[in-house]
Amino acid sequence: GIQVEQSPPDLILQEGANSTLRCNFSDSVNNLQWFHQNPWGQLINLFYIPSGTKQNGRLSATTVATERYSLLYISSSQTTDSGVYFCAVASRDTGRRALTFGSGTRLQVQP
Amino acid sequence: NAGVTQTPKFRILKIGQSMTLQCTQDMNHNYMYWYRQDPGMGLKLIYYSVGAGITDKGEVPNGYNVSRSTTEDFPLRLELAAPSQTSVYFCASLRAADSYEQYFGPGTRLTVT
Repeated sequence: GIQVEQSPPDLILQEGANSTLRCNFSDSVNNLQWFHQNPWGQLINLFYIPSGTKQNGRLSATTVATERYSLLYISSSQTTDSGVYFCAVASRDTGRRALTFGSGTRLQVQP
Repeated sequence: NAGVTQTPKFRILKIGQSMTLQCTQDMNHNYMYWYRQDPGMGLKLIYYSVGAGITDKGEVPNGYNVSRSTTEDFPLRLELAAPSQTSVYFCASLRAADSYEQYFGPGTRLTVT
């Protein structure tokens, strides 16, 4: 099946810093989503971005499907950005459209 | 729209007990999914359904059963609970006609002792 690798696994930032999270995947996809899991376990859908670039406030994401990677940018980080960021993809080869998740990037933003 | 709702939010089971996790969506989505998340890991697919009356196994189906009698509901049944089923369970749905985006419920935290 499709493989999803996220980097870095852990990241510690000072409030106000910028960061880039990376997601590499091993096959063609028809779906790529970025999620933020907050400290209470809630899974928040950040972006649905199988290709192209999107922005939402301080967050933006870019997926280059032909090169099989996606980037999530966080600018001017805040303590509320802390948590785990997951990239998840759905392989183009299967009809079930289920998501395969990476292991996540654990982000800690310090005041 | 309430989106995807799950009940209960928390549950503690004794080994060998059974229970049903409820999942309902009000978006008229035809695809529905059950995932589990073990501590420090990403989510893994348990079962999925492409429409009422149609279900199929995912990567980790052992110890679980599902049914899909209506478009809205997709319950997950745990028979003979085991400590290995301690996890957080997420239900999700997608419309399929015009998008591949999945929408997730708030999760059910299950502990088996």
